Amino acid sequence: EVQLVESGGGLVQSGGSLRLSCAASGFTFSRNWMTWVRQAPGKGLEWVANIKEDGSERYYADSVKGRFTISRDNAKNSLYLQMNSLRVEEAAVYYCVRDIGWGAFDTWGQGTMVTVSS
Amino acid sequence: QSALTQPPSASGSPGQSVAISCTGTSSDVGASNYVTWYQLNPGKAPKLMIYEVNKRPSGVPDRFSGSKSGNTASLTVSGLQAEDEADYYCSSYVGGNTPSYVFGTGTKVTVL
Repeated sequence: EVQLVESGGGLVQSGGSLRLSCAASGFTFSRNWMTWVRQAPGKGLEWVANIKEDGSERYYADSVKGRFTISRDNAKNSLYLQMNSLRVEEAAVYYCVRDIGWGAFDTWGQGTMVTVSS
Repeated sequence: QSALTQPPSASGSPGQSVAISCTGTSSDVGASNYVTWYQLNPGKAPKLMIYEVNKRPSGVPDRFSGSKSGNTASLTVSGLQAEDEADYYCSSYVGGNTPSYVFGTGTKVTVL
């Protein structure tokens, strides 16, 4: 079974940092682009960042550029999101997502909640 | 990158059809063959319903169909069923020097 399990969410103060992890199983992790998507409470989905199969390309939403870093370890079947200088408005559920091609996100984790206090 | 525009709500009776629009610009929807649709249910992970404008993943009923004209994409649900009641989001690839993706504002579909 294809599965993604996020961890690392929690409560952090505005300006603080947090590192999210995503453990993948049930598929050949190194063959897929991977993505982080977030959803703030009562709000819509927002694409955050993605990373190529071998990690050689990474792209970010303008809102997080320079503060967030996406990375992966294919040997560990893991995806990461380092979030620095967090803002109150970035409190959200963060989803780890498998991309089967050009933004077709076919597998989503259960999400990890990030709360940012002022 | 601004969110794609979707109507906040749509509704229909069982058996009827409902269409949801997703309006972007010539830089995203209008320029992309990579428009996708997701179904969101409370407490569940989002589900991929349509990709590349009009392709259905295995397991998605053929009651769900996608199309695009100009800067607007559409998701049509035919033969509406109770279990189709959910939130639906569109998404589009945005090309350029720094490619990205943009989601729609979301539509709540209610089965009357």
